[in-house]
Amino acid sequence: EPEVTQTPSHQVTQMGQEVILRCVPISNHLYFYWYRQILGQKVEFLVSFYNNEISEKSEIFDDQFSVERPDGSNFTLKIRSTKLEDSAMYFCASRLAGGPQETQYFGPGTRLLVL
Amino acid sequence: AQSVSQHNHHVILSEAASLELGCNYSYGGTVNLFWYVQYPGQHLQLLLKYFSGDPLVKGIKGFEAEFIKSKFSFNLRKPSVQWSDTAEYFCAVIGGSSNTGKLIFGQGTTLQVKP
Repeated sequence: EPEVTQTPSHQVTQMGQEVILRCVPISNHLYFYWYRQILGQKVEFLVSFYNNEISEKSEIFDDQFSVERPDGSNFTLKIRSTKLEDSAMYFCASRLAGGPQETQYFGPGTRLLVL
Repeated sequence: AQSVSQHNHHVILSEAASLELGCNYSYGGTVNLFWYVQYPGQHLQLLLKYFSGDPLVKGIKGFEAEFIKSKFSFNLRKPSVQWSDTAEYFCAVIGGSSNTGKLIFGQGTTLQVKP
């Protein structure tokens, strides 16, 4: 069964450094998402992406964040200058192009630790 | 703003006990409702979803959930749990105003099943 994959599984970085989290969505999916979960808190929506542009973003998704689909397979989340509070598990998800009720398939996550 | 509330943060059951996990949402319009599960060391995966029709929804692994519109609830049930059901369970909603499929998650319930 096709799966969403994410790399790296763990990333440790110094505050102020840039990080890029990578995701390979399921190949025929057209909607892509990033969510994050700070330890002990809810899974929170960050951004959705469709047709090569952001379709919706949350208040968390400020100018420090950006997303890109650089080729036909990868979907990346960049954090330009990491802060301590960016430490979290970051999940990528993708779904088919049908309505919002289509199932989102999640990747295994990248655990980001900012020191 | 839309929100989802899961009443039980940590549930401990013995095998063969019945399970009911509560979920309430705040959005008053059309909703799509989901239960996701995260087994230890694995990624989030869909258990079941409701978007229209029969309010009693059956999912994988013997789980079911009932949508009660008047109570804004979507409780998850299983008549007889197994040790392998030990996992974290997340209720999520997509409000009718979102056409991007942004999921709003509850805080999750950790289920521990004792053999």
